[in-house]
Amino acid sequence: GDSVTQTEGQVALSEEDFLTIHCNYSASGYPALFWYVQYPGEGPQFLFRASRDKEKGSSRGFEATYDKGTTSFHLRKASVQESDSAVYYCALGGRGSALGRLHFGAGTQLIVIP
Amino acid sequence: GALVYQYPRRTICKSGTSMRMECQAVGFQATSVAWYRQSPQKTFELIALSTVNSAIKYEQNFTQEKFPISHPNLSFSSMTVLNAYLEDRGLYLCGARARDRSNTEVFFGKGTRLTVV
Repeated sequence: GDSVTQTEGQVALSEEDFLTIHCNYSASGYPALFWYVQYPGEGPQFLFRASRDKEKGSSRGFEATYDKGTTSFHLRKASVQESDSAVYYCALGGRGSALGRLHFGAGTQLIVIP
Repeated sequence: GALVYQYPRRTICKSGTSMRMECQAVGFQATSVAWYRQSPQKTFELIALSTVNSAIKYEQNFTQEKFPISHPNLSFSSMTVLNAYLEDRGLYLCGARARDRSNTEVFFGKGTRLTVV
């Protein structure tokens, strides 16, 4: 079945460091790929999505490029801030009527130290 | 902008009782609503996917008898947790897909946190 793997359970960085959170997926065809961010006590907030090979999604300085060859959608940010501390989830969605059905990765907790 | 409201934000119920939670899409029409449960360990489980005018599809390990869902229109959905027990605790999230966007985002509410005592 469809699945998403996030290899880092936790990432600790200093402010202005470069961030990479790895996301690999397993699915047939071209699923839609998403990044969500979740702050304590909140639901997941949509960051951005991509739905075709080489498409780049971006928001709030975060970006990721859909790579079908490596089945990846790694999240990157050039310079993190303390306010970026949160849990980040990579998710995979079907197309058409199945789009609302998301498969989430295990999440990566980002801790940014001021 | 597109917002999803969930009510209540948190609730405590006695073991064996039931509780109902609601999900309201504001600023857009939701063609489908998915209910998830986020465990205390932060993993997501899809409970069911509900599309207006179609049958509600429950995932394995979740049933209509335990989690009945009502989705009467494009802006509202509700789910009840019947006979709640300790293993039902968690953050219940409603994710709504917007109708007017292609290949679209799924917007989540802030969730209803269920504690069972």
